[in-house]
Amino acid sequence: QQKVQQSPESLTVSEGAMASLNCTFSDRSSDNFRWYRQHSGKGLEVLVSIFSDGEKEEGSFTAHLNRASLHVFLHIREPQPSDSALYLCAVRGGSALGRLHFGAGTQLIVIP
Amino acid sequence: EAGVTQSPRYAVLQEGQAVSFWCDPISGHDTLYWYQQPRDQGPQLLVYFRDEAVIDNSQLPSDRFSAVRPKGTNSTLKIQSAKQGDTATYLCASTRGDQDTQYFGPGTRLLVL
Repeated sequence: QQKVQQSPESLTVSEGAMASLNCTFSDRSSDNFRWYRQHSGKGLEVLVSIFSDGEKEEGSFTAHLNRASLHVFLHIREPQPSDSALYLCAVRGGSALGRLHFGAGTQLIVIP
Repeated sequence: EAGVTQSPRYAVLQEGQAVSFWCDPISGHDTLYWYQQPRDQGPQLLVYFRDEAVIDNSQLPSDRFSAVRPKGTNSTLKIQSAKQGDTATYLCASTRGDQDTQYFGPGTRLLVL
């Protein structure tokens, strides 16, 4: 059973400072990794998807995947107060069913 | 292009009452997912469909929860006899096949008293 864990649970940064979020997974056959953002009371917004080791940049969001160490990171460049939200890591295992497994999320607070 | 829509946005029930949630996926998306997201947790898959067929309902509490997608478009998730532990946000998502990005609706926030 895939286990997805995120750290830290909560992160407070000043506006403009880099924010780095961590996600670990347990299934080495996982082939699909996504970061979502969820503002309070809203649905999930996909930020970046990554499928192979290395980096993938989408605007101010960069995902970094290291499959050997079972880690996928999200770096947010120059975050704004409007980026304050719950950030969720989602991992799909290599099985045929294609289920996404989510972590519990990191609550990001960006202070002006 | 319209996104995934869900209704109602909020529901408040007493234990033992029934409730239905409705989801309209993005046009052309053949795969539809229902997730349960308890407070301060990530979404957890309940059931998903490809067209009208259930692909995986292993996480759906079958004694009280049911889900249908009779024409392969809209879907309804029903809770027969709600419990306080069902308090959560219920999210619907859709995609084309199961390889592509899942697009989420705004969710239905359920409170069971």
